Amino acid sequence: GESVGLHLPTLSVQEGDNSIINCAYSNSASDYFIWYKQESGKGPQFIIDIRSNMDKRQGQRVTVLLNKTVKHLSLQIAATQPGDSAVYFCAENGGGATNKLIFGTGTLLAVQP
Amino acid sequence: EPEVTQTPSHQVTQMGQEVILRCVPISNHLYFYWYRQILGQKVEFLVSFYNNEISEKSEIFDDQFSVERPDGSNFTLKIRSTKLEDSAMYFCASSVKGANTEAFFGQGTRLTVV
Repeated sequence: GESVGLHLPTLSVQEGDNSIINCAYSNSASDYFIWYKQESGKGPQFIIDIRSNMDKRQGQRVTVLLNKTVKHLSLQIAATQPGDSAVYFCAENGGGATNKLIFGTGTLLAVQP
Repeated sequence: EPEVTQTPSHQVTQMGQEVILRCVPISNHLYFYWYRQILGQKVEFLVSFYNNEISEKSEIFDDQFSVERPDGSNFTLKIRSTKLEDSAMYFCASSVKGANTEAFFGQGTRLTVV
């Protein structure tokens, strides 16, 4: 079946440290992945995406790594700030021409000042 | 910056009543979605909509649910006869293209069925 899961439900880091949030996906047909950030009371906010023909993509302070061999996705946040505190979801498309997203269970990132 | 807007932000309804959740997608987007998130759980896909018809739906989206784009700007989700288990955050999203493209989400409508 299709599923996307996260290794760590809660991650606590010190302000200024780098954060790494991990995600495992089970559908090897998935070829598009997104990281979303969800702050309390708000909808998911797009952070960064990556296609399966890449293994790394960088944005502003964020990097997504994709390891298709072990079906693993990670989000790295450099110099974590208090404003980064939120729940982070990875999502996959399940492969094919579908335009739905399959979300993981989420990781709560808590940034300590 | 353009955004997806949803109304109301919170809806309380009695079990068995019909509810309509409203969304205004980003104006140049062509693909529209509804997702839901039960408290403490992950975001779940309900339905996608393109060219005035449903393009895909999940098992959750049974015959109690319907979607409509009644005019050029609104996109609605109707639940015909609400159940307690329909209580959740409902998110509308839209995207410019279909597959493999970022979807922009609204702030959500919290539906509470009592």
